[in-house]
Amino acid sequence: DGGITQSPKYLFRKEGQNVTLSCEQNLNHDAMYWYRQDPGQGLRLIYYSQIVNDFQKGDIAEGYSVSREKKESFPLTVTSAQKNPTAFYLCASSGGFGYGYTFGSGTRLTVV
Amino acid sequence: QKEVEQNSGPLSVPEGAIASLNCTYSDRGSQSFFWYRQYSGKSPELIMFIYSNGDKEDGRFTAQLNKASQYVSLLIRDSQPSDSATYLCAVNRYDEKLTFGTGTRLTIIP
Repeated sequence: DGGITQSPKYLFRKEGQNVTLSCEQNLNHDAMYWYRQDPGQGLRLIYYSQIVNDFQKGDIAEGYSVSREKKESFPLTVTSAQKNPTAFYLCASSGGFGYGYTFGSGTRLTVV
Repeated sequence: QKEVEQNSGPLSVPEGAIASLNCTYSDRGSQSFFWYRQYSGKSPELIMFIYSNGDKEDGRFTAQLNKASQYVSLLIRDSQPSDSATYLCAVNRYDEKLTFGTGTRLTIIP
């Protein structure tokens, strides 16, 4: 079955540490997205990529980095520069304009 | 003005009644409209989409779009406790990227 796989489901980060969240899709979608969701709040766009080897900053890109070396993969690194990284991170992909998104199951990141 | 606005709720509806969720958007050029359901601690799942003015029905769900008023709504008939969730409205403006509202929390009271 086609879908998006995010891993890990839960992640704990120590102060000053970089961590990488994985996102893999087998839907053959060109566009992929990373969102952050804080408790009781909506989705805020971090980064997105519409094609391999290209990506754009979203509304809250500071303290995050991404790469898109393969169509199937769009990993997100939360760097030590992100001062408040505790949140629920969602990866999504899109099959084109008007098709909406398919979401992964999310990664819950906690700073310890 | 936010690009996509929803009443955050909570909206409480008795079991078996109709739940009505509303969303307004600011960009008159918006073309595609989506409703996602998100259970607590889970990721959003697509339940309805609509492109044209009027109503679109799928089972107990009806999406309504009025582009002149820049308004889209979701009706849930015969509400069930399993419908208790947060409902996110999303809009395609000019590319594939969706702009989301902050969501309306719906609680169905048995």
